[in-house]
Amino acid sequence: DAGVTQSPTHLIKTRGQQVTLRCSPKSGHDTVSWYQQALGQGPQFIFQYYEEEERQRGNFPDRFSGHQFPNYSSELNVNALLLGDSALYLCASKGTGDMGEQFFGPGTRLTVL
Amino acid sequence: GQSLEQPSEVTAVEGAIVQINCTYQTSGFYGLSWYQQHDGGAPTFLSYNALDGLEETGRFSSFLSRSDSYGYLLLQELQMKDSASYFCAVRVGGTASKLTFGTGTRLQVTL
Repeated sequence: DAGVTQSPTHLIKTRGQQVTLRCSPKSGHDTVSWYQQALGQGPQFIFQYYEEEERQRGNFPDRFSGHQFPNYSSELNVNALLLGDSALYLCASKGTGDMGEQFFGPGTRLTVL
Repeated sequence: GQSLEQPSEVTAVEGAIVQINCTYQTSGFYGLSWYQQHDGGAPTFLSYNALDGLEETGRFSSFLSRSDSYGYLLLQELQMKDSASYFCAVRVGGTASKLTFGTGTRLQVTL
């Protein structure tokens, strides 16, 4: 049983470019959340998707957008990249009814030059 | 908004017991989770407390006091592999289950 998978593992972009990150949730999970983790900090909540809808959003600008597909996989899109967007982007999944436990993927390390 | 405070670093010797505290300020509190993260790795779930009291899972225990907005993670029989960052995270927002993480405690286990 595969856990949460993310692609790509690493990515290098330049300022102003756009990026798309992908996530496949753990089998049986229907809810996907995205987090941004800067070096030495805790993960920061970006948004959560359930039934292909954005259910909740953190304090991130509209440059950050997402999508969930019918198979529960998800994408995170970031437009007009800034140097400060350099971080580890984590995807986490949970099943309906799961309480505090979320399963995290290995993350995508984004570097913006 | 939410805020969490936990010590930035803790050092302990192998075989010892260590307690990592977490205090929080939040509205819409549903529960407190703990995650472990090794360098370069993904956060891994350790425990979740929704009600006051102690939850025990092997060498790890977690405690919550909702009235004090306080919790802790207790690690017993420390092993070198326990060297990692530990994050407390509050769950808010009901079914949306948004997690707000603290800044993490870096645990160094020494011989």
